[in-house]
Amino acid sequence: AQSVTQLGSHVSVSEGALVLLRCNYSSSVPPYLFWYVQYPNQGLQLLLKYTSAATLVKGINGFEAEFKKSETSFHLTKPSAHMSDAAEYFCAVSEDNAGNMLTFGGGTRLMVKP
Amino acid sequence: NAGVMQNPRHLVRRRGQEARLRCSPMKGHSHVYWYRQLPEEGLKFMVYLQKENIIDESGMPKERFSAEFPKEGPSILRIQQVVRGDSAAYFCASSLPAGKASPLHFGNGTRLTVT
Repeated sequence: AQSVTQLGSHVSVSEGALVLLRCNYSSSVPPYLFWYVQYPNQGLQLLLKYTSAATLVKGINGFEAEFKKSETSFHLTKPSAHMSDAAEYFCAVSEDNAGNMLTFGGGTRLMVKP
Repeated sequence: NAGVMQNPRHLVRRRGQEARLRCSPMKGHSHVYWYRQLPEEGLKFMVYLQKENIIDESGMPKERFSAEFPKEGPSILRIQQVVRGDSAAYFCASSLPAGKASPLHFGNGTRLTVT
């Protein structure tokens, strides 16, 4: 069985500050890990995914995430927050490369203050 | 270049009525997934379908919920005799067949409100 825990349902940062959104997973098989972003009243968009090729994964909009097996973590970071980054972010785990059967975390709402 | 199309965007139903949610996958995609997002929660997998076939319905409630993806036309998620607890956002996603390494593409969702 797989599960995902996102620590902090709400995170607030100032514009220009570092963004750090935490994700821990559990999986009985080598996991495939994903981060999705959801803007208000929209569907989810894929930010990035880890598929074992490299532990540091770069995604769209300047986001990146690092897979740490020893910590069972896949935290999402961005060096400098923009106002447009305000959204809800979901970490997800899958047993298959394509991420067709996803188990989502509870989400973290990112707020960016001017 | 249409993505995954869901309609309606918003649906209001009284308790006991039926709700029908529609999903047209991206062009070329033959697999459809339905997820439910309860308020303040993440998405929960409901069902995975390909044309005329249910692949995995392990996330579907045992009663009142059904899904289909006919040979022609959109996928339909049907909720009979809705109750207040069914109020949620329902998202459809589509993909190429498993093994093609294509990520899920999500629609904008249908927000169901049961009064």
